Amino acid sequence: DIVLTQSPGTLSLSPGERATLSCRASHSVSSRSLAWYQQKPGQAPRLLIYSASSRATGIPDRFSGSGSGTDFTLTISRLEPEDFAVYYCQQYGSSPQTFGQGSKVEIK
Amino acid sequence: QLRLQESGPGLVKPSETLSLTCTVSSGSILNNEYYWAWIRQPRGEGLEWIGSVFYSGGTYYNASLRTRVNISVDTSKNHFSLRLNYVTAADTAVYYCARHQVRYFGAGWFDPWGQGSLVTVSS
Repeated sequence: DIVLTQSPGTLSLSPGERATLSCRASHSVSSRSLAWYQQKPGQAPRLLIYSASSRATGIPDRFSGSGSGTDFTLTISRLEPEDFAVYYCQQYGSSPQTFGQGSKVEIK
Repeated sequence: QLRLQESGPGLVKPSETLSLTCTVSSGSILNNEYYWAWIRQPRGEGLEWIGSVFYSGGTYYNASLRTRVNISVDTSKNHFSLRLNYVTAADTAVYYCARHQVRYFGAGWFDPWGQGSLVTVSS
């Protein structure tokens, strides 16, 4: 199974700042088959990004994804109050699809 | 807008069978573009894909759970179901259902998700 390691574990930032989250895979993820999700307390995950850089329907353009191979990044250009949450990456280039352990973006 | 809703017992005894149903509304499960998936999340932990089912009944399972899992679909009721046998405390988690956009070998992204159902395994 492909293991995804997310960093940092927790990121403390203020509204308006830029957030950069990393997702590193134990093996190359084929065809940029990587998704990002946002999860708020008590809620289900919400799809943000698929195919490494394609935004899901209704996702604001302050969210962007990049990367290929084993290194992927989620960037939030300017944090809004509603963006403070936990973010998960997921690879689907090979079965079983697997998730990272999550990165928390908290208010500084 | 497509919605998914999990239902089922919140408490299951060890060694018994966990059963959940996911009802799909504002859309049909009879769609040849998507699978329908179960994913779980132990409290305070990460996410684990359990398995997925196509409207025709074809399935993909996570090998780590394959011997204990059965996922089925009922197109007449527009729902799909999860059965997990011989549960232990390690199976305590929030169980989510989701639509699964499968790309390769049963793998793909999940969107949207149900709100989740907490299942506790305890005597």
